[in-house]
Amino acid sequence: NAGVMQNPRHLVRRRGQEARLRCSPMKGHSHVYWYRQLPEEGLKFMVYLQKENIIDESGMPKERFSAEFPKEGPSILRIQQVVRGDSAAYFCASSPLILAGDFYNEQFFGPGTRLTVL
Amino acid sequence: TQLLEQSPQFLSIQEGENLTVYCNSSSVFSSLQWYRQEPGEGPVLLVTVVTGGEVKKLKRLTFQFGDARKDSSLHITAAQTGDTGLYLCAGGGTNAGKSTFGDGTTLTVKP
Repeated sequence: NAGVMQNPRHLVRRRGQEARLRCSPMKGHSHVYWYRQLPEEGLKFMVYLQKENIIDESGMPKERFSAEFPKEGPSILRIQQVVRGDSAAYFCASSPLILAGDFYNEQFFGPGTRLTVL
Repeated sequence: TQLLEQSPQFLSIQEGENLTVYCNSSSVFSSLQWYRQEPGEGPVLLVTVVTGGEVKKLKRLTFQFGDARKDSSLHITAAQTGDTGLYLCAGGGTNAGKSTFGDGTTLTVKP
């Protein structure tokens, strides 16, 4: 009964490299969310996806960041040409299919990927 | 833009004491979740409150949702060292799927 899985748990990149973060949602969950967290701060929403669709990307930086949730396989958060300011913990969460009139938006989080940019 | 303000930001108490942390907004939320996050881990869902005025208890933790569904509180009775962590509240608004998170209350319970 696996929960949300994220890999890698730790990722070190040099400035200018690409970072690719993976998230496998809980079994039966069709919604994925990505958040960023800086030390001793709360979670900042980045993007909300369903299979093959980006539903809300209002929290994503306009450049260098992209996300996908393909029909098969994990969701990917990609950061191109990383800079030191991208260093943070990135969390993925998933939720089950939301039925009309039964919307509580309970999200289940993975352990996070800690990105360090040197 | 919906915002959630949590207070206090930091709280340090002795084991056995009681405490209350708050989550306030000027916006109405359809539901509100409380999570606890330990260092190096992801947040873990504690409870969801939905109805204005609702009170839910989880062992020594009591959660309350304000009558107008704009605020919530978490009360811990006889705190234990295992309660140490970051407590986050999150509100579900009218946009399906998107939650707004507060910045959290960092609780330290000393033995």
